[in-house]
Amino acid sequence: GEDVEQSLFLSVREGDSSVINCTYTDSSSTYLYWYKQEPGAGLQLLTYIFSNMDMKQDQRLTVLLNKKDKHLSLRIADTQTGDSAIYFCAESKGSYIPTFGRGTSLIVHP
Amino acid sequence: DAMVIQNPRYQVTQFGKPVTLSCSQTLNHNVMYWYQQKSSQAPKLLFHYYDKDFNNEADTPDNFQSRRPNTSFCFLDIRSPGLGDAAMYLCATSRVGDGSTEAFFGQGTRLTVV
Repeated sequence: GEDVEQSLFLSVREGDSSVINCTYTDSSSTYLYWYKQEPGAGLQLLTYIFSNMDMKQDQRLTVLLNKKDKHLSLRIADTQTGDSAIYFCAESKGSYIPTFGRGTSLIVHP
Repeated sequence: DAMVIQNPRYQVTQFGKPVTLSCSQTLNHNVMYWYQQKSSQAPKLLFHYYDKDFNNEADTPDNFQSRRPNTSFCFLDIRSPGLGDAAMYLCATSRVGDGSTEAFFGQGTRLTVV
């Protein structure tokens, strides 16, 4: 199986919360990331969490980490149409060689 | 201000004609990466430079090579592009060894092979 796995699609209504899930296999990962990719663009770091943390909140974004289950989630509160993009989960040791999932396409409809 | 700059943003090349993609950084990071991203797939690491040391992934085709003449610049050379090499190529940098937390990405070069 792949090292980092994500569901491929998520559709939500504008104003609702979005939750994107990710699982990873490397228990020695020290950093876990969420990157956002808009059409035709590169990857933009949204947020990250250290592996010794359970939760991190940054404005509308909440990251939850269950290290025992190797499960990471990204919650976007009050999802807007501008949040429509592909969201990539990634892991690394230090900041060295991030490994990515296939990305989750978030579609926000009115 | 852009910190990782890739040129060109779009590149069209002929089947079998060598092509070079470029990446520059203003961050003075010691590691530079090249990823290949195809539609609906995870970005796949091709190789990276840790300082001057070149590290090739085991499954990167021989057709792909890289050069890093100095800290700021890194090039991806595709010797004989095939149709299957059409993809988005992403350059990234990170600073390893001082507690830095993230890799920074360029905007990518979309390569079309005709």
